[in-house]
Formats: sequence, C-alpha cells, structure tokens
Amino acid sequence: DVQLVQSGAEANKPGESLKISCKGSGYNFDTYWIAWLRQMPGKGLEWVGVIYPRDSDTTYSPSFEGLVTISADRSSNTAHLRLGALKASDTAIYYCARLNAGGSSHIDYWGQGTLVTVSS
Amino acid sequence: DIQMTQSPSTLSASVGGRVTITCRASQSVSSWLAWYQQKPGKAPKLLIYQASILESGVPSRFSGSGSGTEFTLTISSLQPDDSATYFCQEYNSYLLHTFGQGTKLEIK
Repeated sequence: DVQLVQSGAEANKPGESLKISCKGSGYNFDTYWIAWLRQMPGKGLEWVGVIYPRDSDTTYSPSFEGLVTISADRSSNTAHLRLGALKASDTAIYYCARLNAGGSSHIDYWGQGTLVTVSS
Repeated sequence: DIQMTQSPSTLSASVGGRVTITCRASQSVSSWLAWYQQKPGKAPKLLIYQASILESGVPSRFSGSGSGTEFTLTISSLQPDDSATYFCQEYNSYLLHTFGQGTKLEIK
C-alpha cells in the first residue's frame, strides 16, 4: 500500500529553522511528484511547492519562494521541507502529498501532517 | 494566478438530504479539478478527480460535474459521517495548484 509518513510535531522559537520529513513507501518514490502544502489554524490549504525525486526538479509557489527549501533523498525515499527564520505566522500543519501522475495531476495520497508551532 | 472560489462557506443539512457545493475558477481549468474531504485533525481525502471521476472506494452518493470555470460537488443521501470540510483544487496549472477556501458541512 502507498504510504507517506511524516515526522512528528515540532515546537520552535522565532528565528530558528527546522526540517520536516516525509517518507514514501509502497510505490516507486523516484517517479512521482511530491507536493508540500500548508494549512494554518482553521484555514484552507496552501500550495508550498513540489519536487520530483528522480532529478530533484523543484518548483515553489511565489508566496513561499526564498522562505522554504524542498529536497529529496532517493536513498531513503524521503522528501524534506526546510523552513528557515521561523515566525509565529509559520505555525501550521504541513502536509506532504503525492501527485497521481505528472505535474498537472490531482493528489492521490497524503501524509498525516506535521504540526509546527512557533512561539517564544 | 488562478483563483478558486467556493460557495457556500458553511452549509447545514439533514440526514438523508442532498447538498451541492459550487467551485468557480477565475479562468478555465478545463476538467482538471478535484474535490477533497477533510475531517478535523485528519489529512484531506480525495473524493473526485477530473471534475467527475469518483475515486475508488468513495460512495456513489458523491458526484461531481462541470468544466471550464464552474464545478459542483453533490452529496446525496447525507450521512452523519459526511460532516467535514470540502475543498476543490484546480490542477490545470503545471506544478502550482490552487485550492478553494473550503466549505464546512454540518449534518443535523
């Protein structure tokens, strides 16, 4: 079965950075785009960016460009989202998700989400 | 950028009833639209893709229609378990997809 398993909840202070992970299993990790999405408390879903693990081709939403870094480790079938210089407004649940087929396709599988809390 | 607007924002209906949620795109997305259901504390779940194709395992009470800029999600024979927030998502934009703001459905 396809699974995306994310790392656990994080609590950080403003100005710190953190890296959360998303491990894929049950499919060929290399050949499916992985997307990262943000959901702020009580709000909707925002597209952060995507990565194609085979060649690490990455695209960021303009709203997140320069603020986050998406990477992938093919040896461990894991995608990462690095958030730098955290602010309280980065407090959110971050989801990884698999695009079904290609860069213009729906999401078919989701990670369970990682809660990030930024507070002094 | 494509903007996706859902209506209504909240909705209340009775068990056994039927509801329709609308999603409008600021420009044509052809049929590249998906619907997701999200329950509190859970990740979203795919219901429908390509505007009208039901994901495997999703009850046939859920149906989607539309193309271009206007889409609908209809849920019939409402069950208590249908209480959730529903999101539309366009994926016509290559690698930069946009979601609607969500519709919260309460089942009375």
